This record gives sequence, C-alpha cells and structure tokens, in this order.
Amino acid sequence: RKEVEQDPGPFNVPEGATVAFNCTYSNSASQSFFWYRQDCRKEPKLLMSVYSSGNEDGRFTAQLNRASQYISLLIRDSKLSDSATYLCVVKHVRTGGSYIPTFGRGTSLIVHP
Amino acid sequence: GAVVSQHPSWVICKSGTSVKIECRSLDFQATTMFWYRQFPKQSLMLMATSNEGSKATYEQGVEKDKFLINHASLTLSTLTVTSAHPEDSSFYICSAEGGRAPKNIQYFGAGTRLSVL
Repeated sequence: RKEVEQDPGPFNVPEGATVAFNCTYSNSASQSFFWYRQDCRKEPKLLMSVYSSGNEDGRFTAQLNRASQYISLLIRDSKLSDSATYLCVVKHVRTGGSYIPTFGRGTSLIVHP
Repeated sequence: GAVVSQHPSWVICKSGTSVKIECRSLDFQATTMFWYRQFPKQSLMLMATSNEGSKATYEQGVEKDKFLINHASLTLSTLTVTSAHPEDSSFYICSAEGGRAPKNIQYFGAGTRLSVL
C-alpha cells in the first residue's frame, strides 16, 4: 500500500459545482497534513494546512479524520481558475527525529464553463 | 509569503556533462531543504533531505554519487547531477521549510526542467 493515496481523477465539473477529494495515508503516526495546488508545469503551492479541528478558507474546507486516516478537501462554487492538480502532503517522523513530507500523486480537477 | 528561488529554470545539456541546480531561500533561513524529482503526471518523488552543515539523507534508490547535494549555508542548497544521461531528464524541484516542525510549511522553488541529449 502506498504511504499516501489519492484518486488521480480527473474530476470534471461545471462552474459553480461543489467537489470533494479524499486522501488516505497509511502511517498512523503522521503528524501534519497539507493540501497543495500544482498547475501544469509549475511548482506546488500551499493551499492550506489541515488542522485536527478542520479549517476553512473561503470556498475551501479541509478536514482530518485520524481514525480512518484520511484528509479531505472540499471546494464550493468551483471557478475555472480552480482547475489544477491538488496534492495531499503528509508528514511523519523518521528515525532520527526528522519530519519527512510524503506527497500523494495528486488529483486532477477540471472546471468547465 | 516566503520565497524560494531555484536556478536555472531550464537546462539542456549533452550526455556526460554535469549540471548544478541552486536553491535559495530568499527571506528566511532554512535548516532543511528537500530535493524532488517529478515525471509527467506523476507525484513528486523525494530524492534527498538536505540539512545545513551536514551530509544529505538520500532516499532509497537514489544514487549519492550521481546526485551530489551540498547545503553550505542556511539559505542555499545545491544539487549537482553528475555525468548526466538522457534518463536523468526530468523536472527537479527544491523546497525549503520555514517555521517549526512538524507544522512547518514547505515553500517550493519554481523547478528546473533538465533535458539531457
């Protein structure tokens, strides 16, 4: 089983739709979680951190479910500009004390008019 | 937000040459930097973790002698692809961490697209 798994998609949705992605992780000792956005041929950019209590930033809501070991990202009122690949990042402690980030392969979102 | 500069953004070289990629954190000190490789439509693959003043920690399957990493200061890490071959052609991205672990955030450079002929 991969450490971090995401459905690659693509998720093809109309403008204004609500769409949700999940990301599962295998290491129960994972400590911190993030969603990044990556546009084609560009570097990833932080979208939001994911807190235990969940967090919301405008149209974006992130949730963490430790019991089931997954995080989710909900996008409301989708815009054309939301089209991108959404990367899930999970950090865990490696022997020696360093925190290592592991990326999922990303979920592709296409928002069409 | 924090800025990470990666240079060069695009390299075309002949097989057998070495290529050096620089990663700089411009407005914060980064004790840890990461080097990734990404193939088309694939996830970022962590190659190595670079710590200032110490040897890099390489991921399994990544050749240390092939991908030389130097982290000479708190704001600069370099990756040198030695004797590059066509199979080394890829998108290489660095990231630098700001803040306190484990919630510290990674800021990415813009990436270097390497094409080896």
